[in-house]
Amino acid sequence: NAGVMQNPRHLVRRRGQEARLRCSPMKGHSHVYWYRQLPEEGLKFMVYLQKENIIDESGMPKERFSAEFPKEGPSILRIQQVVRGDSAAYFCASSPSDRLPPGYGYTFGSGTRLTVV
Amino acid sequence: DAKTTQPNSMESNEEEPVHLPCNHSTISGTDYIHWYRQLPSQGPEYVIHGLTSNVNNRMASLAIAEDRKSSTLILHRATLRDAAVYYCILRDAGNYQLIWGAGTKLIIKP
Repeated sequence: NAGVMQNPRHLVRRRGQEARLRCSPMKGHSHVYWYRQLPEEGLKFMVYLQKENIIDESGMPKERFSAEFPKEGPSILRIQQVVRGDSAAYFCASSPSDRLPPGYGYTFGSGTRLTVV
Repeated sequence: DAKTTQPNSMESNEEEPVHLPCNHSTISGTDYIHWYRQLPSQGPEYVIHGLTSNVNNRMASLAIAEDRKSSTLILHRATLRDAAVYYCILRDAGNYQLIWGAGTKLIIKP
C-alpha cells in the first residue's frame, strides 16, 4: 500500500519558467493538502483540494500559483513565472475524506524541492 | 501564527531518554495536541496525539499537563535515527489545517 507519492523529488527552474509539482495521494484518498516549507521554518498551508474541487486556497498566493486535482491522475501544483523566492520544499498530504477524527495523523509525501536559479 | 512554543534545539546522548517540551498556554477545550517529526530531507511523519490523558505508542509517549497548557514528548531510548525536527501542533477537532511552528531540532550524540 504505497504512501503519498510526490515527484519530482528535486526540480530546478530558471526564473520565469513554469514549475509543475505532482502529488499522488494514498490509495483510496480523495483529499489532498499542499504545504510549503522555507529553509529552517515549519510548513505553511497552501491549498486543500478534493477531486475536481478546490476546497480552501487561502494559503496560496493569488498570482502565479494554481492547483488542481482532476478526477483521474495526480494533484498538480503549478507555479508560473517562478522567482527566486519560490525556492522551497513543497509537501502534500492526503486523507480519505473531509470527516476526519480529531486525532487523525496525516501521511505526507517526501516533498519536491524546488530551486529557482 | 503557531500556537505552540518549543525550544529551538536540544541535544541528547544515544540510548538515553529524551523529553521534548511544548508550551501551548492558549489551548482551547477542543484542541488536540499532535506531534510530528521531520527527518532530514524527508516529509513530516506523524508521531502521536492526545487530548487530556497521557498516551503511549510504539514510537513515543506523550505526557500532558493537568491544565493542558504544556505537554512533553518522551522518546524512551533515543537512537541516531531519532535525530529530526520535532513539531508540536494544536489541531482543533473540526479543522483540517495544521499550523506549524519552527519545531525543536533534536541532535543525538553517539
